[in-house]
Amino acid sequence: GENVGLHLPTLSVQEGDNSIINCAYSNSASDYFIWYKQESGKGPQFIIDIRSNMDKRQGQRVTVLLNKTVKHLSLQIAATQPGDSAVYFCAENGNTGNQFYFGTGTSLTVIP
Amino acid sequence: GAGVSQSPSNKVTEKGKDVELRCDPISGHTALYWYRQSLGQGLEFLIYFQGNSAPDKSGLPSDRFSAERTGGSVSTLTIQRTQQEDSAVYLCASSLAGDQRETQYFGPGTRLLVL
Repeated sequence: GENVGLHLPTLSVQEGDNSIINCAYSNSASDYFIWYKQESGKGPQFIIDIRSNMDKRQGQRVTVLLNKTVKHLSLQIAATQPGDSAVYFCAENGNTGNQFYFGTGTSLTVIP
Repeated sequence: GAGVSQSPSNKVTEKGKDVELRCDPISGHTALYWYRQSLGQGLEFLIYFQGNSAPDKSGLPSDRFSAERTGGSVSTLTIQRTQQEDSAVYLCASSLAGDQRETQYFGPGTRLLVL
């Protein structure tokens, strides 16, 4: 199966600091990537996506960076807030079949 | 507009019983996915429906698992003769056309506990 992994399973940051969550993927054919946020007891919520023809995409307080050379994806959250505490998943499409492949997630805790 | 909804939100059952989980996708979305999420794990693909095409069942873990989608909208995931290892959160997602470069929107999940 696909290997979509995260470098750190947990991350704690001070409120107001920037957060960086990393993800490694193994399928060089993947051409679409998504970051999801999952709060306790809820389903994953779309945050931001990026296609392989881009290396950076910005949203509101979030930026996704894609390095295809080393097959690495990162999510940057600016001025992290307590409401950002959640588990963050990256997903790749594998460019094959119908499913997406999800990492195990990074748990982000924001310290007030 | 309304998002993906799932019911029940929680289900406790005894080993050996059958359960049915329901998913209502976003109106107009032709693609529907079922995933399973075990505690502390990522999402495991189960099955995919796209329009009137035959479903992709490649992720179903055993023949005790089945799913159907009626009228191209509501989907039901059925687990027969449940086992304790079936305990997990079952997530449903839908997307507009099922394109591999298209966002999937998730429901809140059904938390299944098999005793």
